[in-house]
Amino acid sequence: EPEVTQTPSHQVTQMGQEVILRCVPISNHLYFYWYRQILGQKVEFLVSFYNNEISEKSEIFDDQFSVERPDGSNFTLKIRSTKLEDSAMYFCASSSTNLAGVGELFFGEGSRLTVL
Amino acid sequence: GNSVTQMEGPVTLSEEAFLTINCTYTATGYPSLFWYVQYPGEGLQLLLKATKADDKGSNKGFEATYRKETTSFHLEKGSVQVSDSAVYFCASGGGGYQKVTFGTGTKLQVIP
Repeated sequence: EPEVTQTPSHQVTQMGQEVILRCVPISNHLYFYWYRQILGQKVEFLVSFYNNEISEKSEIFDDQFSVERPDGSNFTLKIRSTKLEDSAMYFCASSSTNLAGVGELFFGEGSRLTVL
Repeated sequence: GNSVTQMEGPVTLSEEAFLTINCTYTATGYPSLFWYVQYPGEGLQLLLKATKADDKGSNKGFEATYRKETTSFHLEKGSVQVSDSAVYFCASGGGGYQKVTFGTGTKLQVIP
């Protein structure tokens, strides 16, 4: 069964360092998302991406964050200068054309980011 | 936009007990409704969904009915098992919005 894959599964970084989280969405999906979950808290929307541009972003997704689809398969989230409060589990998700209309997303296993 | 409110946890039940986790939604359009489950140390998995009013989603013994009149989508299971211990998220999506909006999650612990 097709699945969304994320790397790394866990990354530890120093405050102020740049981090890139990588995702490989399901191959025929066209809508891509990043969510995050601070430990024990709710799952928060960060950004959605379609047709090589951001279609929606939350207030969490400030200038320190960026997303990119550098080739036909990867979808990346970059945090330019990490802060302690960026420590969270980051989930990538994707959706096909038909499913995006009804909001059904397929999630990866998550990348845990720890900022020291 | 869409928003979802679900009951606070944690919920602790004995094995074979009946489970209800309440969820209500607000939406400007006609969203689809979902229950996602997160097992310990894992990502989010879609448990069930309903795309229009009066639809019933079901999977693994869990059920939820899309009630437009009460704007609710309560999750139920007749007899829980220890393996059902997880965090359950109610969510809404679609209805003109591409993203899915999650509730705060309800932790369920089932004890033998």
